[in-house]
This record gives sequence, structure tokens and C-alpha cells, in this order.
Amino acid sequence: DGGITQSPKYLFRKEGQNVTLSCEQNLNHDAMYWYRQDPGQGLRLIYYSQIVNDFQKGDIAEGYSVSREKKESFPLTVTSAQKNPTAFYLCASGGGVGYTFGSGTRLTVV
Amino acid sequence: AQSVTQPDIHITVSEGASLELRCNYSYGATPYLFWYVQSPGQGLQLLLKYFSGDTLVQGIKGFEAEFKRSQSSFNLRKPSVHWSDAAEYFCAVVPRAGNNRKLIWGLGTSLAVNP
Repeated sequence: DGGITQSPKYLFRKEGQNVTLSCEQNLNHDAMYWYRQDPGQGLRLIYYSQIVNDFQKGDIAEGYSVSREKKESFPLTVTSAQKNPTAFYLCASGGGVGYTFGSGTRLTVV
Repeated sequence: AQSVTQPDIHITVSEGASLELRCNYSYGATPYLFWYVQSPGQGLQLLLKYFSGDTLVQGIKGFEAEFKRSQSSFNLRKPSVHWSDAAEYFCAVVPRAGNNRKLIWGLGTSLAVNP
């Protein structure tokens, strides 16, 4: 079945470390998105990519980086510059007709 | 600026009662409209969407939504709520045209269901 796979489901990061969250889709969607979710703040857009080898900053891109080398993959790196990285991260793909979401990665700083 | 408002942060209903979750949007032209549901610790699932035509849209899990252009609203309804409907519900819109066609999200409504 087509869908989006996020891994890992849970991730722990030490202070000063970079970590990479994986997002893979087999829906043949051109566009992919990364969101951060914190309680009471809804979904905030980190980065998005509308085509391979191209991506744009969203509303809260500072401290994050992405790449889009393949249509199927859109990994997100949370760098040490992100001062408050503990959150639930959601990856999505799709476009104007709606998005399909992965099941999320919960990142915790320890 | 374009925005989506979900006036109710949290709603509690009894099992078997009817439900209406409100959504209002601020946009120049009628956008595409969506409702998503999120169970705790999970991703979002599309409940229903409105593009054009009949303003009453049927979705999954027994949900429906009505688009009212005059009120810029797209309220979600269910005649009889089940305990499994307890979740977070998000309304979203996307412009019908233009280069920037990302979803614009409301902040969500958390639904609790009393037995």
C-alpha cells in the first residue's frame, strides 16, 4: 500500500548533537513537508519541497536543515542550533488536493 | 493575511450526543477546505474535503461538513459520537490557485468523549 514512513518513532538527543529524522513516501508525490507540533500550537511548517533538489523554508526553519535528493525521501536534520527541539515532528506529502501524513517522530532532548 | 480559526480549543461531549466543530477561514476567494483528525501520538488522517459542488460533504467515520460561503465556515458534524472519536481535529484550507498552495491550518479542537 502507498504511504509515508517516518522513522524512528521515538528519538533521544543529547545537548549539542545533530539528529536526522527520516521520511520516505511511495505515493509519487512531488511535494513534501515537515511540520513541528507542540501542545496548543497546532502544526508549524519547518521546510517544504515541491520538487527534487529544491526546498524552501517554512515558518520556523531556524535550527533545521533538509535535503531532497530523491523524490521519495525528505530527511530532516535537527541541528544543535535548534535550542528547543523537543517536539513531535510530522512529515507529509501531497498538494492542493490534500496531504498524506506519516505517523510522526517524537524527539526528546536528554 | 489568510487564516483559519477554530474557536473551540477543547470540547467535551457525551457518547451518543451530536457534535459540531466550528471552522472559519479568512481568505479572498473560496479555498479548498479540509478536516483532519489526529489520535494521540499519531499522524493526521483526512476526514473529508470540499472542492466544489454540493456544500454538504460526507467523510469517513460518519462525519460530515457543510460549507457556507456567506459565513466563510466549514463546520464538522457527527450525529452520534462514539468514544473512539476522542481526538484532535484540525481544519485546513489551501488556495485554489497561485504559486503558494501550502495548507493553512487552524490550531485544532481537542474532543473528549464522556461514557
